[in-house]
Amino acid sequence: DAGVTQSPTHLIKTRGQHVTLRCSPISGHKSVSWYQQVLGQGPQFIFQYYEKEERGRGNFPDRFSARQFPNYSSELNVNALLLGDSALYLCASRLLGTTDTQYFGPGTRLTVL
Amino acid sequence: GIQVEQSPPDLILQEGANSTLRCNFSDSVNNLQWFHQNPWGQLINLFYIPSGTKQNGRLSATTVATERYSLLYISSSQTTDSGVYFCAVRAAGNKLTFGGGTRVLVKP
Repeated sequence: DAGVTQSPTHLIKTRGQHVTLRCSPISGHKSVSWYQQVLGQGPQFIFQYYEKEERGRGNFPDRFSARQFPNYSSELNVNALLLGDSALYLCASRLLGTTDTQYFGPGTRLTVL
Repeated sequence: GIQVEQSPPDLILQEGANSTLRCNFSDSVNNLQWFHQNPWGQLINLFYIPSGTKQNGRLSATTVATERYSLLYISSSQTTDSGVYFCAVRAAGNKLTFGGGTRVLVKP
């Protein structure tokens, strides 16, 4: 079975632009979470979606938004990009009700110039 | 929110050596996972271990939930063990809270 997939793998944007990152969970997983990892730190929670509804939000500004589609894939949108948004963005999926393990995708590396 | 601290922050090992990584957390948790992040950024699941002891090959982990810590043991280390090891916990809610990681370098 395929793992969590993310696209694109790398992205370069300039300040003020908008970006959309995409994630497809493991087949059968209905929960998708997004994390931001800046260089030298551990990942920080941004959002969790389950059954197309937001179930958790981290301490990020309103410039960050997300949604989940009927096929459980997800998009993370970031508006008005700042230099500080440069990071590795990780998507994770999980099958609620079992071992509760989260599985992470390979990430999208975003550089804001 | 819950605090997660990992030690040591950096570890340099000679190939073949054993090591212990520690994760302390500040509150009760219902999920604890250990990950290995490779140089390309991929987070690889090592263990789901909210309590007890598990082993997988040269790696093993123990979580003592009542004392709020977890240990990851690496035995007979190999150069491919290099990377960053993260502990992550979930208390209430739906998010995983990560520690700062332990950067491991295994020298041949």
